[in-house]
Amino acid sequence: DSGVTQTPKHLITATGQRVTLRCSPRSGDLSVYWYQQSLDQGLQFLIQYYNGEERAKGNILERFSAQQFPDLHSELNLSSLELGDSALYFCASSAYLTWGTGVQETQYFGPGTRLLVL
Amino acid sequence: AQKITQTQPGMFVQEKEAVTLDCTYDTSDPSYGLFWYKQPSSGEMIFLIYQGSYDQQNATEGRYSLNFQKARKSANLVISASQLGDSAMYFCAMREGISNFGNEKLTFGTGTRLTIIP
Repeated sequence: DSGVTQTPKHLITATGQRVTLRCSPRSGDLSVYWYQQSLDQGLQFLIQYYNGEERAKGNILERFSAQQFPDLHSELNLSSLELGDSALYFCASSAYLTWGTGVQETQYFGPGTRLLVL
Repeated sequence: AQKITQTQPGMFVQEKEAVTLDCTYDTSDPSYGLFWYKQPSSGEMIFLIYQGSYDQQNATEGRYSLNFQKARKSANLVISASQLGDSAMYFCAMREGISNFGNEKLTFGTGTRLTIIP
């Protein structure tokens, strides 16, 4: 268990509809990253929030939007859905472990939301 | 140009043998991090190992080690004594730039599907 939670686990909807995916980062982690995994595009970074503010944008469509709330959970909103939006959507949060002069970064992923647009 | 290249789409390995999964990367940034993830058929992304660009020693985590050759820009994952449970997709990923608590988006390769044969 990574400590990152995502709901729902599965989502089936129709073209043209709007859905909201929810993510809670690990306790204490301020960052949330959203990724999309599809058969044709692979794993792609969509957007990142850090302590409520948008920090980086990747290949995110204009029909998609996200936000991070004061309690640090994040929501990814997908609207005017198309067949090609069917994918596995992950969120992740970062963690750092330091020891001596070493730093280990880890980016923990949630279990994902599998979206199927029919 | 691809930032992360995984040239082995699929590999078959006999149980208990060691296996090396290839990953090359492309960046002009002197500060970066390299990650390996395992994705079993259930879909979750499991963090395996991390290597920082300034780390002097190759990273190891149990049966996983990272063969980091900076001059060649390669970061191959070595799994020793493979087990049936190692059958999964394996992804190499990179974070570019100085990690500054909010700038750690990952770029992923296309993955290698590893199948362990009993």
